[in-house]
Amino acid sequence: DGGITQSPKYLFRKEGQNVTLSCEQNLNHDAMYWYRQDPGQGLRLIYYSQIVNDFQKGDIAEGYSVSREKKESFPLTVTSAQKNPTAFYLCASSIVQANVLTFGAGSRLTVL
Amino acid sequence: DQQVKQNSPSLSVQEGRISILNCDYTNSMFDYFLWYKKYPAEGPTFLISISSIKDKNEDGRFTVFLNKSAKHLSLHIVPSQPGDSAVYFCAASGQANAGGTSYGKLTFGQGTILTVHP
Repeated sequence: DGGITQSPKYLFRKEGQNVTLSCEQNLNHDAMYWYRQDPGQGLRLIYYSQIVNDFQKGDIAEGYSVSREKKESFPLTVTSAQKNPTAFYLCASSIVQANVLTFGAGSRLTVL
Repeated sequence: DQQVKQNSPSLSVQEGRISILNCDYTNSMFDYFLWYKKYPAEGPTFLISISSIKDKNEDGRFTVFLNKSAKHLSLHIVPSQPGDSAVYFCAASGQANAGGTSYGKLTFGQGTILTVHP
């Protein structure tokens, strides 16, 4: 079955530590995205990539980094510079020039 | 600045009745609107969408209405079923530039929790 796999599902981190969230898709989609969800708020775009080896900042990119070395993979690193990292992180993908996104099940990051 | 707003945090409906979820937006450059449904601990799944050139789109029990002059859209679910109980997000996309880079850059509302009682 085609889909998006995010791992880990739950992650705990101490303050000051970097952590990397994995996102893998087998939908053959060119575009991939990272969104963040906080309680009572809508999803906010962190980074997106339309093609391999290229990515752009979204609305809340500060404190995050990404890479896109393979079409299937778009890992997100939450760095120690991110002031409020505790959140639910969602990875998504789509065909190019499409607004309908397919989302993964998400990763919940808690900073202790 | 919340460009897409869902002012009702929750909605409770009896099974078989109509559910109406509302969404307002402020940016007149939005030209494509979507509704997503989300169950707890899962990612959102696409439900239905509408382009700004239309004022209505229907798919089975789900209908989305767009009122551009009021910058308002709504999702109607008829008849509502207990399995429809979930969080519903509306989302909007701006006009694509020549590079097409606005595609997929969605602005989401806060979500409305729909509960359908048997």
